[in-house]
Amino acid sequence: EAQVTQNPRYLITVTGKKLTVTCSQNMNHEYMSWYRQDPGLGLRQIYYSMNVEVTDKGDVPEGYKVSRKEKRNFPLILESPSPNQTSLYFCASSLLPGSNQPQHFGDGTRLSIL
Amino acid sequence: AQKVTQAQTEISVVEKEDVTLDCVYETRDTTYYLFWYKQPPSGELVFLIRRNSFDEQNEISGRYSWNFQKSTSSFNFTITASQVVDSAVYFCALSEAEGGGFKTIFGAGTRLFVKA
Repeated sequence: EAQVTQNPRYLITVTGKKLTVTCSQNMNHEYMSWYRQDPGLGLRQIYYSMNVEVTDKGDVPEGYKVSRKEKRNFPLILESPSPNQTSLYFCASSLLPGSNQPQHFGDGTRLSIL
Repeated sequence: AQKVTQAQTEISVVEKEDVTLDCVYETRDTTYYLFWYKQPPSGELVFLIRRNSFDEQNEISGRYSWNFQKSTSSFNFTITASQVVDSAVYFCALSEAEGGGFKTIFGAGTRLFVKA
């Protein structure tokens, strides 16, 4: 089954404790992306990747890091999480580099930073 | 700069009513892509439709229809004879080239309540 898998689905942690949210897709997609969803703001793109070893900033990259060492994986790293990063996070992938192909989304990761 | 505006924060209708969700976008590019996604109460994001900037043909899919007008930079979504299962948050999104890649901008979403 074609899918985008995020882990964990839920996480409560404390300020400053490094965390990683994993994202994996099994569709051989080149384009992968991370978004955060906050009430009233919709989804905002954090980082995206056009292919292996190619990453670029979205609209809200501050406080986040990503890597794309393999085509299927695109982890989101919060080196020193802060409460303003409490949010619902979605990973997405698509066949072509984000153009006219719809993105397939993971089920979301709800992060709470205390 | 790119921007997607969904001016309707919440809409409430009674079942069987028609409802239109508005989406207005701003872009400098001549080539871009527009999408609608649905987020039901369960939280997942479901793709509904995409349009590229060269295709202004309107589309109908069952009870759903989309009206793309470049002249007004709008990509509106109409649900005919709404049903309770249509209750969800609907997002309009714009994707376009920037530098060597593609960025995607979402609108803030419109929450639709359909009452029985």
